[in-house]
Amino acid sequence: ILNVEQSPQSLHVQEGDSTNFTCSFPSSNFYALHWYRWETAKSPEALFVMTLNGDEKKKGRISATLNTKEGYSYLYIKGSQPEDSATYLCAPSGGGADGLTFGKGTHLIIQP
Amino acid sequence: ETGVTQTPRHLVMGMTNKKSLKCEQHLGHNAMYWYKQSAKKPLELMFVYNFKEQTENNSVPSRFSPECPNSSHLFLHLHTLQPEDSALYLCASSPSWRGNTGELFFGEGSRLTVL
Repeated sequence: ILNVEQSPQSLHVQEGDSTNFTCSFPSSNFYALHWYRWETAKSPEALFVMTLNGDEKKKGRISATLNTKEGYSYLYIKGSQPEDSATYLCAPSGGGADGLTFGKGTHLIIQP
Repeated sequence: ETGVTQTPRHLVMGMTNKKSLKCEQHLGHNAMYWYKQSAKKPLELMFVYNFKEQTENNSVPSRFSPECPNSSHLFLHLHTLQPEDSALYLCASSPSWRGNTGELFFGEGSRLTVL
């Protein structure tokens, strides 16, 4: 069983502020790291998939970095907006179709 | 529209009832999954199907019985459930070819309440 840790578990951020949170995972048998955004009453939606150590991906105001040697990834949100409120999940993958093991997520609330 | 459709979205059942959850995907994937989301817990993988064959059963009680008649459809048959089985059940699909990243495409879930 993979031990995937996400911190913090919840986060309140003022609109306009920037924020970041962490995912740590076992670095052995690593193939990819996935970040998902899960808004209430919707399906989890893939944000990023990263495979290489040092990878950095960006989508609008959201970016993520990956360190496979030490087993962690950061997700950054710049200039938070109310629509960023969601639970952010990470999951490492060994590749293939075995399913993903998720962390508990970081529940982000953006306060106007 | 995610390409993965789950029905029903909400289900209330008694402990002696038999009901089924249905999942359908229109993405041409060959792997399908059932996940369970309980309060304060991470998403838990329950079952994995690859090309209609069950490849993983994550120690799930037998009162949950999956069925995968083809690569596009997945069912979860429910029988004599317990109140602690109340949760959100998510279906997902993915490509099944070797070397893919493992990215999952989720449905919106079926919220189950067991009385």
